[in-house]
Amino acid sequence: GAVVSQHPSRVICKSGTSVKIECRSLDFQATTMFWYRQFPKQSLMLMATSNEGSKATYEQGVEKDKFLINHASLTLSTLTVTSAHPEDSSFYICSARDGFEGGAGYTFGSGTRLTVV
Amino acid sequence: GQNIDQPTEMTATEGAIVQINCTYQTSGFNGLFWYQQHAGEAPTFLSYNVLDGLEEKGRFSSFLSRSKGYSYLLLKELQMKDSASYLCAVIKNSGNTPLVFGKGTRLSVIA
Repeated sequence: GAVVSQHPSRVICKSGTSVKIECRSLDFQATTMFWYRQFPKQSLMLMATSNEGSKATYEQGVEKDKFLINHASLTLSTLTVTSAHPEDSSFYICSARDGFEGGAGYTFGSGTRLTVV
Repeated sequence: GQNIDQPTEMTATEGAIVQINCTYQTSGFNGLFWYQQHAGEAPTFLSYNVLDGLEEKGRFSSFLSRSKGYSYLLLKELQMKDSASYLCAVIKNSGNTPLVFGKGTRLSVIA
């Protein structure tokens, strides 16, 4: 089955610093990666759609200069939270269409718990 | 616009049956997913419906009515490990489009 490897799983950073989260597709090519954010006891909210070789598409209300997305290859997409603040503390998770039938075509990374102190 | 509604919380007894409903109004529909999510973990795929009717998979079944914009997830023979959040998600178009999630239903299974 399809696997998306997401790192790190947990990160604590100081306010004002930047954090990079990586999502790598291990056994398929992900031309598109979706980035979600999930606050405690809430559902997954789509932040942006990352396309290989082109600019990401951001959802309304998501600051593109704060959440930098790079999708430089067919197997790697990164999300950088720049100048992080405590309100950015959340669970970030990526997802890709994988073309396999088992999960009806979507595979999720394992998520990154970001805590900004 | 898009609106996907689920109850926020439900409680059920071990061994019982529980039905979690989801209604949706979206600009486009190409299928509905149910996921299970434990706190701090990635969602786990449970089911996918694109045609009307019931899909059964072991203890879990999912139903879809496209004309009513309605789906439910049925969990039978509840176990304590079924305590989790259950997320209803819609895919609006075919191709490389993201899933749109409802707010999720937190299910607590009690003895």
